[in-house]
Amino acid sequence: EAQVTQNPRYLITVTGKKLTVTCSQNMNHEYMSWYRQDPGLGLRQIYYSMNVEVTDKGDVPEGYKVSRKEKRNFPLILESPSPNQTSLYFCASSLGSRNEKLFFGSGTQLSVL
Amino acid sequence: EDKVVQSPLSLVVHEGDTVTLNCSYEVTNFRSLLWYKQEKKAPTFLFMLTSSGIEKKSGRLSSILDKKELFSILNITATQTGDSAIYLCAVEVTYSGGGADGLTFGKGTHLIIQP
Repeated sequence: EAQVTQNPRYLITVTGKKLTVTCSQNMNHEYMSWYRQDPGLGLRQIYYSMNVEVTDKGDVPEGYKVSRKEKRNFPLILESPSPNQTSLYFCASSLGSRNEKLFFGSGTQLSVL
Repeated sequence: EDKVVQSPLSLVVHEGDTVTLNCSYEVTNFRSLLWYKQEKKAPTFLFMLTSSGIEKKSGRLSSILDKKELFSILNITATQTGDSAIYLCAVEVTYSGGGADGLTFGKGTHLIIQP
């Protein structure tokens, strides 16, 4: 089954403790992206990647890192999480750089205490 | 700065009613407008619109784009409780100098269908 898989689904952590949210897609998609969704703010793009070893900042990249060493994986790294990074995170992928058929993962609800 | 505004933010109707959701935008280098439905968690793709005046239809859902007035509407007829969701509008823009196209989301319309 074609899908985008994020882990974990829920995560509660404390300020400053490094964490990684994994994202994997099995559709051989070139384009992958991370979004955060906050009440009243909608979906905002954090980082995106057009292909292996090609990443770029989205609208709200501060406090996040990503890597794209393999086509299928696009982990999101928070080196020193802070409470303002408490949010619902989505990973998404699409075949090319066009966004029309973005496939979203199920989301990761992160709480930073 | 690219802007996508959806209205209303929240809407409660009775089953069987018809609803119209609005999405207006102000962007440079418009490429397409997309509608997504977000139920429990992940948004799922509904429509992509690139040309004015051409209606896209899928069952009871339909959508149309007006590139002159910079807006789109999403219509749902004979609503059912399963239509309850957040409906997201997003506008795709093309950045000059190559690179991936940008996608700016609106804040969404929370639609609740009461039985």
